[in-house]
Amino acid sequence: GDSVTQMEGPVTLSEEAFLTINCTYTATGYPSLFWYVQYPGEGLQLLLKATKADDKGSNKGFEATYRKETTSFHLEKGSVQVSDSAVYFCALSAVSSNTGKLIFGQGTTLQVKP
Amino acid sequence: GAGVSQSPSNKVTEKGKDVELRCDPISGHTALYWYRQSLGQGLEFLIYFQGNSAPDKSGLPSDRFSAERTGGSVSTLTIQRTQQEDSAVYLCASSPGQGRWDTEAFFGQGTRLTVV
Repeated sequence: GDSVTQMEGPVTLSEEAFLTINCTYTATGYPSLFWYVQYPGEGLQLLLKATKADDKGSNKGFEATYRKETTSFHLEKGSVQVSDSAVYFCALSAVSSNTGKLIFGQGTTLQVKP
Repeated sequence: GAGVSQSPSNKVTEKGKDVELRCDPISGHTALYWYRQSLGQGLEFLIYFQGNSAPDKSGLPSDRFSAERTGGSVSTLTIQRTQQEDSAVYLCASSPGQGRWDTEAFFGQGTRLTVV
């Protein structure tokens, strides 16, 4: 079945460091790919998405590129801030499901220290 | 309100009791989803509504779990005879996307259920 695998956390970085959170997926066909973020005390919210191969999603300085050949959607940011501390979830939605339901990775906790 | 609203935010119940969790989606969103977030299992899909119908109930873990949606709006997730393994955060999400695979889902803050 469809699945998403994320690098395990927690990830601890100093402010202004470069961030990569790895995400790979298994799916039939060409799913849409998402990064959702959960800030402390808040609900899940969409960070960025890509709906077809080679698309790049970007928001708030974060980027991820849909790589069909490596079935990956790694999240990157060039310079993290303390306010980026949160749990990040990679997710896919399969065309074949006809529901829009999301399949999530396990989540990666990011802590950014001043 | 502008967002997805869930109530209660916290619920503590005794093992064996029934509980009802409520979700008010964003007005006009036809698709509604329930997910469960637990330490051992991560974020799992439970059920999908399109309007008042539930074409995908594949994630419901047992027949103790049921859900309904009325008026194409409010949804209630019911857990009967709660067990300790039901302890989790239950998240509701809505989307305008008619079940499309490329549409953003908007999440509520969740209901934290603790079964003691």
